[in-house]
Amino acid sequence: DTGVSQDPRHKITKRGQNVTFRCDPISEHNRLYWYRQTLGQGPEFLTYFQNEAQLEKSRLLSDRFSAERPKGSFSTLEIQRTEQGDSAMYLCASTRLWGRHSYEQYFGPGTRLTVT
Amino acid sequence: AQTVTQSQPEMSVQEAETVTLSCTYDTSESDYYLFWYKQPPSRQMILVIRQEAYKQQNATENRFSVNFQKAAKSFSLKISDSQLGDAAMYFCAYITPGNTPLVFGKGTRLSVIA
Repeated sequence: DTGVSQDPRHKITKRGQNVTFRCDPISEHNRLYWYRQTLGQGPEFLTYFQNEAQLEKSRLLSDRFSAERPKGSFSTLEIQRTEQGDSAMYLCASTRLWGRHSYEQYFGPGTRLTVT
Repeated sequence: AQTVTQSQPEMSVQEAETVTLSCTYDTSESDYYLFWYKQPPSRQMILVIRQEAYKQQNATENRFSVNFQKAAKSFSLKISDSQLGDAAMYFCAYITPGNTPLVFGKGTRLSVIA
């Protein structure tokens, strides 16, 4: 079974541009999470999905951020009108709620966003 | 709100020695899970060990073990026979089944000295 994958791994964009990131979770995991991590800090929760339903959004997720998970498989995170403060590592994680490894979140390699 | 505190921003250990990383958390829940994650420089975050709050026995995974003190809300990680590959940021994290985002501490940077 492959792990969580994210694309792209790095993104450099100019302030004001829109960017979109993709996450492919582990296939049998029905929950998918997005986190943001800035240098020297732990990840901070942004939003999560159970199957295709977006169940919770952090107040960190401003109106410029939107996330989708069509058909309950991969997910996309879009940032509109990027700002320099959006520069961070965006992490995706997935998990399942049953079985021996329930609630363990497995992380992808992240997408590092630099806004110039 | 649940919080996780890691009071040691940096730690170092000699190769083959033992080191303990500290973590405390604040919660009013009785059912929860605790994790230690490792994040090597510029690399993926990986799960090291997990502990269910209802289990009294401390979790172990090879050279990694925890000291879980539920009453004190303490969850320390012990790394035995430290190896150069153990050098990384270590994050303590907490989750409740009904409140699903992981809550992370700020991390401890571990250096291993050859």
